[in-house]
Amino acid sequence: DVKVTQSSRYLVKRTGEKVFLECVQDMDHENMFWYRQDPGLGLRLIYFSYDVKMKEKGDIPEGYSVSREKKERFSLILESASTNQTSMYLCASSLLGTGVNYGYTFGSGTRLTVV
Amino acid sequence: AQKVTQAQTEISVVEKEDVTLDCVYETRDTTYYLFWYKQPPSGELVFLIRRNSFDEQNEISGRYSWNFQKSTSSFNFTITASQVVDSAVYFCALRGNTGTASKLTFGTGTRLQVTL
Repeated sequence: DVKVTQSSRYLVKRTGEKVFLECVQDMDHENMFWYRQDPGLGLRLIYFSYDVKMKEKGDIPEGYSVSREKKERFSLILESASTNQTSMYLCASSLLGTGVNYGYTFGSGTRLTVV
Repeated sequence: AQKVTQAQTEISVVEKEDVTLDCVYETRDTTYYLFWYKQPPSGELVFLIRRNSFDEQNEISGRYSWNFQKSTSSFNFTITASQVVDSAVYFCALRGNTGTASKLTFGTGTRLQVTL
């Protein structure tokens, strides 16, 4: 069964800490995404990557950075965590292109609390 | 810019009732793709359907059906004879075909509560 795995289900971090959220996919997908989910706001795109070492800003990149050193792994980095970054973070992957098998697969999410 | 609007924040129904979740979208792309996802309490987003803009045929899958109308930019989702297991948050999403083409834009979601 194809999978997107996020390393942590729940995280609690202190304000000012550097936080790494890890995501691994086993489907050989070119595209990987990080979304943030907040009540009443739906899912908002933070960053995405369409190839190794390539990245593009999404709608709300401020306060975040990403790293993609290998095709299967996409990391989200909070350089200095703040309480307004308390949220559910969802990773997703997809194939490049729009063929019949095109779709997005999501991980189970990481609920991050910054105190 | 792309936008997806799900005006219904929460819907409560009694089991076996039919329920329709509304989705209205905006895009300047002539080719685009529409999706519905289900998010149960466990948190993982489950893919339900993808529809291409050039295919306006409605679709039925068991108790689920989707009504795509380009004229009104809507892609509504109907659950027939709802069940308690249908309780979840449902998201409509849109992917365009220009610019950052892979970007999936989500609506704010509709929480469906099905009670006995």
